[in-house]
Amino acid sequence: EPEVTQTPSHQVTQMGQEVILRCVPISNHLYFYWYRQILGQKVEFLVSFYNNEISEKSEIFDDQFSVERPDGSNFTLKIRSTKLEDSAMYFCASSSPGWASGNLGTQYFGPGTRLLVL
Amino acid sequence: GQQLNQSPQSMFIQEGEDVSMNCTSSSIFNTWLWYKQDPGEGPVLLIALYKAGELTSNGRLTAQFGITRKDSFLNISASIPSDVGIYFCAGQRDSSYKLIFGSGTRLLVRP
Repeated sequence: EPEVTQTPSHQVTQMGQEVILRCVPISNHLYFYWYRQILGQKVEFLVSFYNNEISEKSEIFDDQFSVERPDGSNFTLKIRSTKLEDSAMYFCASSSPGWASGNLGTQYFGPGTRLLVL
Repeated sequence: GQQLNQSPQSMFIQEGEDVSMNCTSSSIFNTWLWYKQDPGEGPVLLIALYKAGELTSNGRLTAQFGITRKDSFLNISASIPSDVGIYFCAGQRDSSYKLIFGSGTRLLVRP
């Protein structure tokens, strides 16, 4: 069964450093997302991406964050200058194409990248 | 507004018992999803609901999309030890692909 994959599984970085988290969505999906989960808390939406542009973003997704689909398979989240409070699990998700498919919002999640900012 | 209130926060039950958890909101959602999360892993989709009143099963799991479109419940029948984990509801509103998650129900099953 196809699945979303993410690398790395863990990342430790120093405050102020840039990190890039990578995701390979399910191959026939066209909508891509990033979520984060601070330890012990619920999953929070960061950004959605479709047709090579951001379609929706949350207030968490400030100018320090950016997303990119550099090729036909990868989807990345960049944090330009990490802060201590960026420490969290970051999940990539992807969903089926279009309303007509009947799967209006069935998002499938990757295993996550645990980011620790020191 | 867009908060999902999920209850109970945790449950500690005997193996074989049935479990019920629910999510409510003051807002209308057009999709309800239920996910299970094991420690250190990503949410795994259990059941997706797309229409008000819809009742869907997946093995021992049954979920319903509330008729008001403001709530959903998940039932697990005859629980087993591998049901242990955190269960999250997630809702999606019209014109948005964003999933809004509940705060989770932590389930512990005593063998």
